[in-house]
Amino acid sequence: DTEVTQTPKHLVMGMTNKKSLKCEQHMGHRAMYWYKQKAKKPPELMFVYSYEKLSINESVPSRFSPECPNSSLLNLHLHALQPEDSALYLCASSQGPQSNEQFFGPGTRLTVL
Amino acid sequence: GQQVMQIPQYQHVQEGEDFTTYCNSSTTLSNIQWYKQRPGGHPVFLIQLVKSGEVKKQKRLTFQFGEAKKNSSLHITATQTTDVGTYFCARRDSNYQLIWGAGTKLIIKP
Repeated sequence: DTEVTQTPKHLVMGMTNKKSLKCEQHMGHRAMYWYKQKAKKPPELMFVYSYEKLSINESVPSRFSPECPNSSLLNLHLHALQPEDSALYLCASSQGPQSNEQFFGPGTRLTVL
Repeated sequence: GQQVMQIPQYQHVQEGEDFTTYCNSSTTLSNIQWYKQRPGGHPVFLIQLVKSGEVKKQKRLTFQFGEAKKNSSLHITATQTTDVGTYFCARRDSNYQLIWGAGTKLIIKP
């Protein structure tokens, strides 16, 4: 299995909702990442988990809360989002935090109303 | 950290024509990576270059890393419709995180 899966593919939520994005990989990778991508822009790093521990938080607002329940799973919990948080949320993984290649999932297209 | 500047923002070509995108840095790069993102898709790793003057080929794609390691290019020969998408360069910083260029969107004219 050489892919990263993400659910849901699309999500529409109100500003008072709580939702979660899920990411899974079965490649034995020990580094996992959350990125946010706005239209016509490159991905923007949000969080990095290395060996299931949060190693990098790129000053992301607390309304985004990551969680790594085990080495294969990565969640992003969403609460009280703003319309400007609407974007494509990409999960990625790599063999280790220093590995060259990152494998990206298909993303979750999030719309905040 | 230092950004990587990528140009052009868009390139329109007729199918069969060549395409080139460039990345430049004001400081020496230890590495440069290239990713492709199809419309509606996700980034896919193409290659990493680390050596001064390095040239690597993948079928119709040629990747170069400048002698001074301050610039890199991706050249596609005889574009096909399957080449459509946005091509990003990215460098890894001291924390091994990716610093992305703005991307070049390849558009094939009908």
